Amino acid sequence: ETGVTQSPTHLIKTRGQQVTLRCSSQSGHNTVSWYQQALGQGPQFIFQYYREEENGRGNFPPRFSGLQFPNYSSELNVNALELDDSALYLCASSLSGVGGGYEQYFGPGTRLTVT
Amino acid sequence: EDQVTQSPEALRLQEGESSSLNCSYTVSGLRGLFWYRQDPGKGPEFLFTLYSAGEEKEKERLKATLTKKESFLHITAPKPEDSATYLCAVQGLYNDMRFGAGTRLTVKP
Repeated sequence: ETGVTQSPTHLIKTRGQQVTLRCSSQSGHNTVSWYQQALGQGPQFIFQYYREEENGRGNFPPRFSGLQFPNYSSELNVNALELDDSALYLCASSLSGVGGGYEQYFGPGTRLTVT
Repeated sequence: EDQVTQSPEALRLQEGESSSLNCSYTVSGLRGLFWYRQDPGKGPEFLFTLYSAGEEKEKERLKATLTKKESFLHITAPKPEDSATYLCAVQGLYNDMRFGAGTRLTVKP
């Protein structure tokens, strides 16, 4: 069984640029969630995708967008990067249907630095 | 608005010294309360899910309990390898997961 993988591991971007982060879900999982984690803080929920549709969103502006593909892999896109976007970006996959309360399994994260 | 508060922020224990971590929460329609362990520079590692008040789960030296307003993670006779940040999260009605800031546990040999 393959776990959650993310790429790239580290990334340095300039303010105003755009970035795409990628995630491969754990085998058999149909839901992917993205989180932003600042140093010393808990992860903050960005959004969730279930069967290629956005299925919940946290308090993040529209310049944070995502996609989920038929193979359940996913992308997080961030436009017009700001310095405060520097953080660890985590992807988590899970198997869910109607209802909730399901376990999420996290990838190792992508460390984004905006200068 | 859903909220999760973890205490203490940091905890230093001697090997073998048992203790508890607290997670207080408010949520609209609890679907699940989750405990994770996070090592520096890594993604969180799933530990437990609790669904309803009174529920308890155990794994090795860890035991999680749940009431209507808080959850406890009890650590019995900890070892240095238990050193990590322990995160609590709640899932509410709208599929969002809200995490606490975590408790940073250090176990000295």
